[in-house]
Amino acid sequence: QVQLQESGPGLVKPSQTLSLTCTVSGNSISSGSFYWSWIRQPAGKGLEWIGHIYSSGTTKYSPSLESRVTISIDTSKNQFSLKLNSVTASDTAIYYCARVYKGGPMGYFDYWGPGTLVTVSS
Amino acid sequence: EIVLTQSPGTLSLSPGERATLSCRASQSVSSNYLAWYQQKPGQAPRLLIYGASSRAAGIPDRFSGSGSVTDFTLTISRLEPEDFALYYCQQYGSSSCTFGPGTRVDFK
Repeated sequence: QVQLQESGPGLVKPSQTLSLTCTVSGNSISSGSFYWSWIRQPAGKGLEWIGHIYSSGTTKYSPSLESRVTISIDTSKNQFSLKLNSVTASDTAIYYCARVYKGGPMGYFDYWGPGTLVTVSS
Repeated sequence: EIVLTQSPGTLSLSPGERATLSCRASQSVSSNYLAWYQQKPGQAPRLLIYGASSRAAGIPDRFSGSGSVTDFTLTISRLEPEDFALYYCQQYGSSSCTFGPGTRVDFK
């Protein structure tokens, strides 16, 4: 059974960097069949794709966040991570990590972590 | 970027009724790369449908997807109490995936 779990600080100060890690179990992150992705959801709002990474380290980011986002991967720990810099209150959201089943240029999200709330506030 | 519009915003129905949810794309979704998700309060989204019409593993057959090009539909043939939730469509046929704003199915 594939499981994903997000971890990281729940509170980040404005202008600082949000850092989260996703630990994957039940599936080697080195598997070439999937991407590994971050998605966020502000309270009471819809879903926004942030970006994804492949086991080789190749990344793809949302154009609206690309200038502030870095996703990295650590295959030895079966983890991938998100860094979002220069955060503001509008970055307050539940952040999900997810496995992407490759299809076409992107893919669909077949396994999700439970999500972690990150609040940006001084 | 492909923009997805979902309608209606809210669908008020009773258990046992049929639910028809619409997802319309601002441009053609290549190869029908469209997925549907269900989200309940406090939970992560759950994959229901991919490739416009293929059910994900473990999804009951009362859920079905159809459509092509720019118009897609999720149908729940007979609503069960656990089906009252929020539903999102997502396209993955372009270099940047996008989600629709969601349709809420609630109790009439």
